[in-house]
Amino acid sequence: NAGVMQNPRHLVRRRGQEARLRCSPMKGHSHVYWYRQLPEEGLKFMVYLQKENIIDESGMPKERFSAEFPKEGPSILRIQQVVRGDSAAYFCASSPLPAGETQYFGPGTRLLVL
Amino acid sequence: AQSVTQPDIHITVSEGASLELRCNYSYGATPYLFWYVQSPGQGLQLLLKYFSGDTLVQGIKGFEAEFKRSQSSFNLRKPSVHWSDAAEYFCAVGAGNAGNMLTFGGGTRLMVKP
Repeated sequence: NAGVMQNPRHLVRRRGQEARLRCSPMKGHSHVYWYRQLPEEGLKFMVYLQKENIIDESGMPKERFSAEFPKEGPSILRIQQVVRGDSAAYFCASSPLPAGETQYFGPGTRLLVL
Repeated sequence: AQSVTQPDIHITVSEGASLELRCNYSYGATPYLFWYVQSPGQGLQLLLKYFSGDTLVQGIKGFEAEFKRSQSSFNLRKPSVHWSDAAEYFCAVGAGNAGNMLTFGGGTRLMVKP
């Protein structure tokens, strides 16, 4: 059973460009979570999604960031008009059930904004 | 709101010595508690978790943790550290509107001396 997959593993963007980060959950998992890790810090929750629904986006910046988890295909975290402060590692996690269930993490996408 | 504190940012131990990493949490209800390990440039691997029941939980790689409600703590221990244990360790509590947003501590970086 393949683990959580994220691509790309590394992404370089210039200021003002768009970044698209993809996450394929583990087989059988329908709950996806995105976290951001700034340099030398712990992970911070961004958003929790189920298929076609955003359940909790309390950690998402109000502007430029959006997330989706369509009926078919991977979950996408989209960052428009990136700025240098967006440089971070973005981790996706998935779980088979909601509340309290273990989350399994992907290897992360490291975004560098020049 | 829930929070997690890992008081020790860096810890250095000699190979073969015992290890204890501290974790204190703040949460209004019975928490779901986790310890994850992150090697440089990698994602997070689950070491162990506590949901309910026996307050001493065993994990992978010889790690264990003890939930102490009276102290709001969930400290991670290992009797004899190996050089391969050098990594960053994160304590997390599961909470949030849907009960599954993970709040992470700032992490403890473990270095192992030969």
